[in-house]
Amino acid sequence: EVQLLQSGGKLLQPGGSLRLSCAASGFMFNNYGLSWVRQAPGKGLEWVSAISGNGGTSYYADSVKGRFTISRDNSKNILYLQMNGLRVEDTATYYCAKVSSYGPVTKSNFDHWGQGTLVTVSS
Amino acid sequence: DIVMTQSPDSLAVSLGERATINCKSSQSVLLTSTTKNYLAWYQQKPGQAPKVLISWASTRESGVPDRFSGSGSGTDFSLTITSLQPEDVAVYYCQQYYSTPITFGLGTRLEIK
Repeated sequence: EVQLLQSGGKLLQPGGSLRLSCAASGFMFNNYGLSWVRQAPGKGLEWVSAISGNGGTSYYADSVKGRFTISRDNSKNILYLQMNGLRVEDTATYYCAKVSSYGPVTKSNFDHWGQGTLVTVSS
Repeated sequence: DIVMTQSPDSLAVSLGERATINCKSSQSVLLTSTTKNYLAWYQQKPGQAPKVLISWASTRESGVPDRFSGSGSGTDFSLTITSLQPEDVAVYYCQQYYSTPITFGLGTRLEIK
């Protein structure tokens, strides 16, 4: 059974930093791309970032480019999102998501999601 | 960026009746080399992560009831739920994965009339 278990959410002040983690099990981790998707309170879904199975290619939404860094440790089956320079508008529940098929990470839908972790940025 | 426009914003349907949600993309998400539409539909219930229902515009995911179906091609797509059940109350999102940034529609809230 595929599982994506997230940790790391908290309350921070603007300008702060946080690293989110997503521990995966139940599938060949290094064969699949992964993404982070966020959802502001009461709002819709916003794709944040994606990383290929081998970690060699990553993509970012313009809203986080230069501030967030996606990475993965294929020896530990963990996905990360390092968030720096946090802003109030980054307040959201962050989900990690696995793509459903092999191939380019941005050319597949998401078939499994983590449970989400709430990041609140407020002064 | 490809903008995904869903309609309606909300929808109330009687139990056992049909619900149709529409999604229009600002440019085609049909890749001619694969003849696939890079369009998925998700269901999100309160307090839960999204769940994929349909991929490639019309392929129902494993375990999804057959009352859910997807149709459309190019820029115009629909999600249809025949014979609405109480457990179908949720927000539904379309998503394009044709190009980055990956984008979602704003969602359609489905309720029981």
